[in-house]
Amino acid sequence: QQQVKQSPQSLIVQKGGISIINCAYENTAFDYFPWYQQFPGKGPALLIAIRPDVSEKKEGRFTISFNKSAKQFSLHIMDSQPGDSATYFCAAMQTGTASKLTFGTGTRLQVTL
Amino acid sequence: GAGVSQSPRYKVAKRGQDVALRCDPISGHVSLFWYQQALGQGPEFLTYFQNEAQLDKSGLPSDRFFAERPEGSVSTLKIQRTQQEDSAVYLCASRSRGSYNEQFFGPGTRLTVL
Repeated sequence: QQQVKQSPQSLIVQKGGISIINCAYENTAFDYFPWYQQFPGKGPALLIAIRPDVSEKKEGRFTISFNKSAKQFSLHIMDSQPGDSATYFCAAMQTGTASKLTFGTGTRLQVTL
Repeated sequence: GAGVSQSPRYKVAKRGQDVALRCDPISGHVSLFWYQQALGQGPEFLTYFQNEAQLDKSGLPSDRFFAERPEGSVSTLKIQRTQQEDSAVYLCASRSRGSYNEQFFGPGTRLTVL
């Protein structure tokens, strides 16, 4: 049962463009939504995270938009750079239990020159 | 080093062999997680420790999978009688006390079962 759906599977963006990755969740008990960046041969690393009491969070070039009623959230990467080329995973967590992460299937982003 | 370390980084096993994967969490981190990442997929939760107590093992796919953390620091994930479907990257993550704190991931162990 896939509780977090992510799209697109892959994305090619020109340098300086905006990369947008979308996720949807089913479990309304989720209350923490992080995004992870993973480079080949490395473990995922936290990029940015949001709680459902806000609709948007921005950190540098990275922004999360959150729509609680639609159960959707997205990552926007502004001014995309070749160094951003990686696989991005959205995730969701229900705090108060084991606080385990439920991940999406990932988006492979390639930023071209 | 200050990060989560895992060993070995790569493991090749013949079907039916037992394997043991090690995780050294960040010093002082109370919580430790194991995830399985199949090729081209997102990590999937296997099990969770708080100190030495295994509080959630709902993600372990079968009774061939066993994890322990006897002294509340280093953890070992053991897979008995490996099958081809066990081939994946096994990720360990640790977190300091507090649900909203970041889970720091290790580089993973890539297991290939022939």
